Amino acid sequence: GAGVSQSPSNKVTEKGKDVELRCDPISGHTALYWYRQSLGQGLEFLIYFQGNSAPDKSGLPSDRFSAERTGGSVSTLTIQRTQQEDSAVYLCASSATGSRPSSPLHFGNGTRLTVT
Amino acid sequence: AQSVTQPDIHITVSEGASLELRCNYSYGATPYLFWYVQSPGQGLQLLLKYFSGDTLVQGIKGFEAEFKRSQSSFNLRKPSVHWSDAAEYFCAVDSNYQLIWGAGTKLIIKP
Repeated sequence: GAGVSQSPSNKVTEKGKDVELRCDPISGHTALYWYRQSLGQGLEFLIYFQGNSAPDKSGLPSDRFSAERTGGSVSTLTIQRTQQEDSAVYLCASSATGSRPSSPLHFGNGTRLTVT
Repeated sequence: AQSVTQPDIHITVSEGASLELRCNYSYGATPYLFWYVQSPGQGLQLLLKYFSGDTLVQGIKGFEAEFKRSQSSFNLRKPSVHWSDAAEYFCAVDSNYQLIWGAGTKLIIKP
């Protein structure tokens, strides 16, 4: 069956450019999460959506980062004026519900962002 | 604050040998605990989870983990590793609607 799909799989951009990362969750999953994984680090929480609403944006590292979700489905993570420290793998996950105990997260393969 | 510690950055074991990956957590309430595996070029996959009940939980691919409240641990074990188990393993604890992750342990398999 279809899993979580992320695009592009790789993105190389110049410092100062804007990038947009896309996540297509499993159909029917109401909860959607964005994480960032830097080399040798665990996953860093960025933002969580329940439906189209983002109850928790506390993980976004700066105001250059924003995310939206439309139709309770596809989500985009936008990074404006990219910096070299933004280079990382950006992972998207979805789950059937967002309530505790957490239903299992299903992850996409990630977008590897390199800022030169 | 909630936290997860995986003390071993990487572990090397011989194929066929037993494996134990350590995970310690800090959490105020009853924890819900997870192990995920990330194989090269693959997305993260859930291996197993502990919510309540039996403290020894079985997962996929022959893995198991034991929850020990007194030690705040949730160590992952496998009796005999296969070369295909080479991957990075992440322990995580539930914190309301999100997970708090350890830094991961990279498993290297010697032929």
